[in-house]
Amino acid sequence: EAGVAQSPRYKIIEKRQSVAFWCNPISGHATLYWYQQILGQGPKLLIQFQNNGVVDDSQLPKDRFSAERLKGVDSTLKIQPAKLEDSAVYLCASSVSSDFRNTGELFFGEGSRLTVL
Amino acid sequence: SQQGEEDPQALSIQEGENATMNCSYKTSINNLQWYRQNSGRGLVHLILIRSNEREKHSGRLRVTLDTSKKSSSLLITASRAADTASYFCAYNTNAGKSTFGDGTTLTVKP
Repeated sequence: EAGVAQSPRYKIIEKRQSVAFWCNPISGHATLYWYQQILGQGPKLLIQFQNNGVVDDSQLPKDRFSAERLKGVDSTLKIQPAKLEDSAVYLCASSVSSDFRNTGELFFGEGSRLTVL
Repeated sequence: SQQGEEDPQALSIQEGENATMNCSYKTSINNLQWYRQNSGRGLVHLILIRSNEREKHSGRLRVTLDTSKKSSSLLITASRAADTASYFCAYNTNAGKSTFGDGTTLTVKP
């Protein structure tokens, strides 16, 4: 079974530029998550999708971050314009659970490491 | 911080010793999970314990949950150099909110 795919693995941009990350979850997984992980910290949830609907985006900085999940399958996370403090690893995860209130095992991708100069 | 808290932040032991790391949280939970992360990689699920369970085993892993104290512990027995990684707890509420702690970095010396 293929795992969660993410691209690109690494990205370096100047501040105020834009960047987009892509995620393809495990086939059949209803729930998709984007997490931000700053060096030395645990993952922080940015947005959670149930199929193609948003369940939780309370910690997403909506003035610069946006995300969409096309047709309930793959997803893109965009940052525009980027700030220095956005330097982090962006992790995508998926879960087979179709009940967002009953979070089961999360399957993570390898992450996309962003450096903002 | 809305994150769970884990301690210790870092732990260094010799191969063959046991490693214990703790996680505390602040709200009622549906379940609590432990994940492992090798440097530069994604997180890998280790074990899930439900709120009505007190202890769970998986191979060399033993997890306990005390909902009255809002805490959990992960014990790795007979550690190996390959166990060197960061370990995170994630607690999940009935509202579907999943919150990760800041992790314990474990170093196992050969």
